[in-house]
Amino acid sequence: EADIYQTPRYLVIGTGKKITLECSQTMGHDKMYWYQQDPGMELHLIHYSYGVNSTEKGDLSSESTVSRIRTEHFPLTLESARPSHTSQYLCASSELGQGSYGYTFGSGTRLTVV
Amino acid sequence: AQSVTQLDSQVPVFEEAPVELRCNYSSSVSVYLFWYVQYPNQGLQLLLKYLSGSTLVKGINGFEAEFNKSQTSFHLRKPSVHISDTAEYFCAVSKQTGANNLFFGTGTRLTVIP
Repeated sequence: EADIYQTPRYLVIGTGKKITLECSQTMGHDKMYWYQQDPGMELHLIHYSYGVNSTEKGDLSSESTVSRIRTEHFPLTLESARPSHTSQYLCASSELGQGSYGYTFGSGTRLTVV
Repeated sequence: AQSVTQLDSQVPVFEEAPVELRCNYSSSVSVYLFWYVQYPNQGLQLLLKYLSGSTLVKGINGFEAEFNKSQTSFHLRKPSVHISDTAEYFCAVSKQTGANNLFFGTGTRLTVIP
């Protein structure tokens, strides 16, 4: 079944640690996204990619980085986690240039930095 | 650029009562419109979408939405809500041509009261 997977679902980590949030999709979608969703539930686009070796920053400035070495994989990395990074991170994917399809979302990773 | 406004941040409603969640958008070009639902600790799930044709769109779980071009609105309705409809609802818009980035509203929390 085509889907988009995020791991871990929950992560509690200490300040200063390096973390990588994983996102993989099996639909062959070219475009992938990372959203940050704060406790107030608003969605902010922090990164997106049009395909392999393409990454762009989104509307909300973020200290995280992303990479796109394979079409199906779009990991997000925080080199040094801080309490201000505590949030839910949602990954999504879509067909390139097919706005009518909308996005398919993963279940999210809830990150808590203590 | 496109933008979406969801005027109601919270909507409480009694079980089996009707509900309307409001969404207004602005765009200088033709758009596609979407409603997503987010259950607690989950990602976003597509409820319904308007692409073209009939302005009344039916989605999953008994929801429907009506596209009103003159009022630039895409309100979501359900004639009788259930406890299980308690969730966050997001309206979103994308251009019909070119880059298909989705722009989200700030969300409406629907709480169904027994």
